[in-house]
Amino acid sequence: DGGITQSPKYLFRKEGQNVTLSCEQNLNHDAMYWYRQDPGQGLRLIYYSQIVNDFQKGDIAEGYSVSREKKESFPLTVTSAQKNPTAFYLCASRLTRGQGTYTQYFGPGTRLTVL
Amino acid sequence: QKEVEQDPGPLSVPEGAIVSLNCTYSNSAFQYFMWYRQYSRKGPELLMYTYSSGNKEDGRFTAQVDKSSKYISLFIRDSQPSDSATYLCAMSGAGGSYIPTFGRGTSLIVHP
Repeated sequence: DGGITQSPKYLFRKEGQNVTLSCEQNLNHDAMYWYRQDPGQGLRLIYYSQIVNDFQKGDIAEGYSVSREKKESFPLTVTSAQKNPTAFYLCASRLTRGQGTYTQYFGPGTRLTVL
Repeated sequence: QKEVEQDPGPLSVPEGAIVSLNCTYSNSAFQYFMWYRQYSRKGPELLMYTYSSGNKEDGRFTAQVDKSSKYISLFIRDSQPSDSATYLCAMSGAGGSYIPTFGRGTSLIVHP
């Protein structure tokens, strides 16, 4: 089955720790995205990547870092510099060629809680 | 004014009702319009997408875009308790990175 997987589903972090959230897709999509979702605030873009070895900051990149070494993978690191990291994190991907290239498909999400 | 406005609800309806969910927007460059359904603690699921103005139907769901009014709608016929979820509208312009702007979502409750 093609799709986007995110792991872990739940993650607990102590203050001062860095944590890495995994996102893998087997849809052969070129573009990948990370969003943060907080209650009542909708989806906010953290980082996105349209091609391997290249990525751009979104609206709320401070305190986060990403890498894109493989087409299938786009991990997100939440660093200790992120002051309020408790949130639901969503990874998405998009096909950049052909019909329906403007639509994003989402993974199941990772809920991060800072203790 | 936010680029995309969506009433957060909750919208509570009885089973079998016709549901109307709406978003308004201010950016006339938006050409692609999407609706996502998100169950609690799950990722958003793409329901429907349309390009420019007009209607699109898929089973019990109809998406409608009125670019002249900058208004989009999602209609759900014969609503079911399983339709209870948050519905997100999203829209983007043409070209470039196609990064969509999302509404905050409307919470829908369909009670038996």
